[in-house]
Amino acid sequence: KNEVEQSPQNLTAQEGEFITINCSYSVGISALHWLQQHPGGGIVSLFMLSSGKKKHGRLIATINIQEKHSSLHITASHPRDSAVYICAAGGSQGNLIFGKGTKLSVKP
Amino acid sequence: DAGVIQSPRHEVTEMGQEVTLRCKPISGHNSLFWYRQTMMRGLELLIYFNNNVPIDDSGMPEDRFSAKMPNASFSTLKIQPSEPRDSAVYFCASRPVLGTEAFFGQGTRLTVV
Repeated sequence: KNEVEQSPQNLTAQEGEFITINCSYSVGISALHWLQQHPGGGIVSLFMLSSGKKKHGRLIATINIQEKHSSLHITASHPRDSAVYICAAGGSQGNLIFGKGTKLSVKP
Repeated sequence: DAGVIQSPRHEVTEMGQEVTLRCKPISGHNSLFWYRQTMMRGLELLIYFNNNVPIDDSGMPEDRFSAKMPNASFSTLKIQPSEPRDSAVYFCASRPVLGTEAFFGQGTRLTVV
């Protein structure tokens, strides 16, 4: 069993839809990271959180430490949100254990 | 700041050749990470450094792989000899201090033929 599991693996949405990507982890963490990888390959850190909720524009990330579960939400999705979203469990030394990623495609 | 800079962006080499990937972290960042991404295994940590000292290299696949960080502004990942199964995208990332987000380079796409 992978230490970090994401669902779904692939997601297709229509522009404007509300999107949720889920992440479950089985390891102890100091923080949970959400990353975005664009079609060109670059990786950008979206959120790092250890409790509660964070919001940045149309993106919201939540975490439930007791349940070892995190979600990434995108409100009013747009084609430019199309990317691979990767969840990663952060260890105490800062090393990351990655999920396999969720490939999101938002259609106009 | 220009961000984390990796070179080369693309590398094609023949099996058995030595390959050296380079990374310049963001100035002032204390930690540097090398990751590998493949279709089969996704992103994996290879090795990371804190203050130029290797902390955990358990992700380095085998002795053919070696990494150095001679100073705070430069790191290399070397594969000798390279094999076709080493083909992947190699990312370098740096982080200011423990407990902060990491910044990724654009990656080096390595193809070993």
